[in-house]
Amino acid sequence: AQKVTQAQTEISVVEKEDVTLDCVYETRDTTYYLFWYKQPPSGELVFLIRRNSFDEQNEISGRYSWNFQKSTSSFNFTITASQVVDSAVYFCALSEKGGSEKLVFGKGTKLTVNP
Amino acid sequence: EAGVAQSPRYKIIEKRQSVAFWCNPISGHATLYWYQQILGQGPKLLIQFQNNGVVDDSQLPKDRFSAERLKGVDSTLKIQPAKLEDSAVYLCASSFTSGSETQYFGPGTRLLVL
Repeated sequence: AQKVTQAQTEISVVEKEDVTLDCVYETRDTTYYLFWYKQPPSGELVFLIRRNSFDEQNEISGRYSWNFQKSTSSFNFTITASQVVDSAVYFCALSEKGGSEKLVFGKGTKLTVNP
Repeated sequence: EAGVAQSPRYKIIEKRQSVAFWCNPISGHATLYWYQQILGQGPKLLIQFQNNGVVDDSQLPKDRFSAERLKGVDSTLKIQPAKLEDSAVYLCASSFTSGSETQYFGPGTRLLVL
């Protein structure tokens, strides 16, 4: 069965610090997809990134970067030079190819960036 | 392009009452999902539709929850009768085709059952 673990419940940093959010997943499938979503206080889930299991290249988008390592079943998310607007709950999610391909979410990491 | 629309945004009811939520997915998206998000947890899939048909409803409490997606577009989720533990945010999402495609979420409906 698929499972996503986000061990960090809450993280608090000061503006301009770098912060890494951890995500560890479990799956028996060889083809799967990993996602990160941001949930600001307004409540709407905002899509950040989708990666498939065959693409282990790290990705950078502005201040955001993602490190995908199949060897450790991890898909970590780093925010460089954090800003107050980055304060939100961040969710990692997994979808297995085949079956309903439903998204299974971790419990989320609440990030607070203080000025 | 318009996003996923949901209504109402907030609802307060008493236990044993019934409630219904509405969702309009992104135009052209074949797959629609309803998730339940309890405070402090990640969203949990309740039901997934592909066009008119149900793909996965294994986690839907069928004794009290029901959902339909007539004509393969809008969807409604109903709870009857509501229990205290149904207090949560109900999120609707849609994707172009299957679940492995990116799902885009609506703003959610916050339900409080007293």
